[in-house]
Amino acid sequence: QKEVEQNSGPLSVPEGAIASLNCTYSDRVSQSFFWYRQYSGKSPELIMSIYSNGDKEDGRFTAQLNKASQYVSLLIRDSQPSDSATYLCAVNRIAGYALNFGKGTSLLVTP
Amino acid sequence: IAGITQAPTSQILAAGRRMTLRCTQDMRHNAMYWYRQDLGLGLRLIHYSNTAGTTGKGEVPDGYSVSRANTDDFPLTLASAVPSQTSVYFCASSASGNGNSPLHFGNGTRLTVT
Repeated sequence: QKEVEQNSGPLSVPEGAIASLNCTYSDRVSQSFFWYRQYSGKSPELIMSIYSNGDKEDGRFTAQLNKASQYVSLLIRDSQPSDSATYLCAVNRIAGYALNFGKGTSLLVTP
Repeated sequence: IAGITQAPTSQILAAGRRMTLRCTQDMRHNAMYWYRQDLGLGLRLIHYSNTAGTTGKGEVPDGYSVSRANTDDFPLTLASAVPSQTSVYFCASSASGNGNSPLHFGNGTRLTVT
């Protein structure tokens, strides 16, 4: 079983819509969850971190965590073409060091 | 500007040659990491260091070695490159190595082994 799973997409949404990106993880004791954005040919950049159940909002981004369901999501409100990128979900590793990354979901925001 | 510097940006390397990818950070982070990113496989951890003087193996360490002589530098060495090591290599750092701190990435090194 893969440790961090994401739908590879592409997920296509119209400009101005809400994009919903999902991630599941296998280790029930995971405590730290991160969302990264990666533009083509660039390095991953941190968008959000979340550690507690519930929602965390930062501008147009909302991260949602449900540890009981081992599920973390990222909502992007008022999606813009500049949001078109691959979004990586990351979870702390069982051993406690570094992060495990999902393979990413490709998001395309169409004008 | 604070951050992580990787060098070279890209490199074409003949199989069997030795190569060191450089990584330097100026954020005084304790932990540093090397990942490789391949299409369809995502980011995979090669080696890590939780603090200067210590290193550990990730999920794909074979063919690679690292050292952490000081806080700032974390070079990755390919002793004898093989074509399967063609990849994009990212160095990253975090304030702590306990998995609770986010990783910050360098711009990457695109390596082609022919």
